[in-house]
Amino acid sequence: ILNVEQSPQSLHVQEGDSTNFTCSFPSSNFYALHWYRWETAKSPEALFVMTLNGDEKKKGRISATLNTKEGYSYLYIKGSQPEDSATYLCAPQTRGGNTPLVFGKGTRLSVIA
Amino acid sequence: DVKVTQSSRYLVKRTGEKVFLECVQDMDHENMFWYRQDPGLGLRLIYFSYDVKMKEKGDIPEGYSVSREKKERFSLILESASTNQTSMYLCASSLLVRSSYNEQFFGPGTRLTVL
Repeated sequence: ILNVEQSPQSLHVQEGDSTNFTCSFPSSNFYALHWYRWETAKSPEALFVMTLNGDEKKKGRISATLNTKEGYSYLYIKGSQPEDSATYLCAPQTRGGNTPLVFGKGTRLSVIA
Repeated sequence: DVKVTQSSRYLVKRTGEKVFLECVQDMDHENMFWYRQDPGLGLRLIYFSYDVKMKEKGDIPEGYSVSREKKERFSLILESASTNQTSMYLCASSLLVRSSYNEQFFGPGTRLTVL
């Protein structure tokens, strides 16, 4: 079983604060790294797929970076808003095709207005 | 838009009952997955299937079986429900492309309570 660590487990921030959290994964056999956002009472939705060392992806106020050599990815949220409250999941992928994703336990973010 | 639907949002069953959780996707995806999500444990893979009538065990298959008779439908079966199977169950699907990044699309989840 792939060892995927996400930290912190949970986070409470004030509206307007910027925040970041970490996903750590084995650096060997890396193929891709997925980030998902899972809001309460909704389905998890894909945020980013990252494939190359040094990759940076951005979607609005959310961005992510990837370091495949040391096996980590950071997710940043700039100016957090209450609608950013969700659990953020990462999932490394070790090869293409029909390989299932192995998810970390997630970081639960609560943004307080 | 990819749509993955699950037969129930909430389900309450009794210990020992046979339980069927149904998942249907409308995008002709080859791969389908069943996960359960428990507090502090994250999403754990129960079973997956990459073709009709094919199935593969995930990390926690004990106490579960699956059925994939049609491409669009993947059923999770609890042969004899137990209280430790109380959980949120999520279905997902993805395209099978050899070099793909395997983005998975999730259903809304079924919260199962076994009394």
